[in-house]
Amino acid sequence: QQQVKQSPQSLIVQKGGISIINCAYENTAFDYFPWYQQFPGKGPALLIAIRPDVSEKKEGRFTISFNKSAKQFSLHIMDSQPGDSATYFCAASGNTGFQKLVFGTGTRLLVSP
Amino acid sequence: DAGVIQSPRHEVTEMGQEVTLRCKPISGHNSLFWYRQTMMRGLELLIYFNNNVPIDDSGMPEDRFSAKMPNASFSTLKIQPSEPRDSAVYFCASSSRHGMGTEAFFGQGTRLTVV
Repeated sequence: QQQVKQSPQSLIVQKGGISIINCAYENTAFDYFPWYQQFPGKGPALLIAIRPDVSEKKEGRFTISFNKSAKQFSLHIMDSQPGDSATYFCAASGNTGFQKLVFGTGTRLLVSP
Repeated sequence: DAGVIQSPRHEVTEMGQEVTLRCKPISGHNSLFWYRQTMMRGLELLIYFNNNVPIDDSGMPEDRFSAKMPNASFSTLKIQPSEPRDSAVYFCASSSRHGMGTEAFFGQGTRLTVV
């Protein structure tokens, strides 16, 4: 129940294309869903996050789509750029008390020039 | 602020030796987390401190691992004795609220190699 399943494991997208990464969760107590971006040799950094009271959140070229009934959420990167090449992690946690942030297994994105 | 600072950045040690990883969280943050990252298991939460008190250490793999937070500005993760399977990147992260319903800031990690 604590797992967050992420797919695909790796993704190659042409410059200007749309990158889509999907995640699914089981624990209905989760109510905070961040995405982290990690470049080689660096720690993960928060990219964008959503709470389940909205179905979509957009920040620049990055959009989270959230489907509460299906317990799924996804990251869309519009107009993908080579600089977006990184590993992306979805995560989930409860928003009260001492709840763990559970990470997906990561998606390695390569945007080809 | 310089962010979360971890040291050393790289550590190579022989099996059986003691290893100590260090972390300085962001000033004012009251939550600190230790994560381990491997290709096989991804990002695993090892232990979580709030106000210097260990709250959840259920992710600590075995008794060889221990963590301390003697004050708000310093934490250590110790492995004794180390084994080759402990080879991984260890991250420290901090945040400013209870739990993780807010942004966690990660350090650059310590790459540990046990030979």
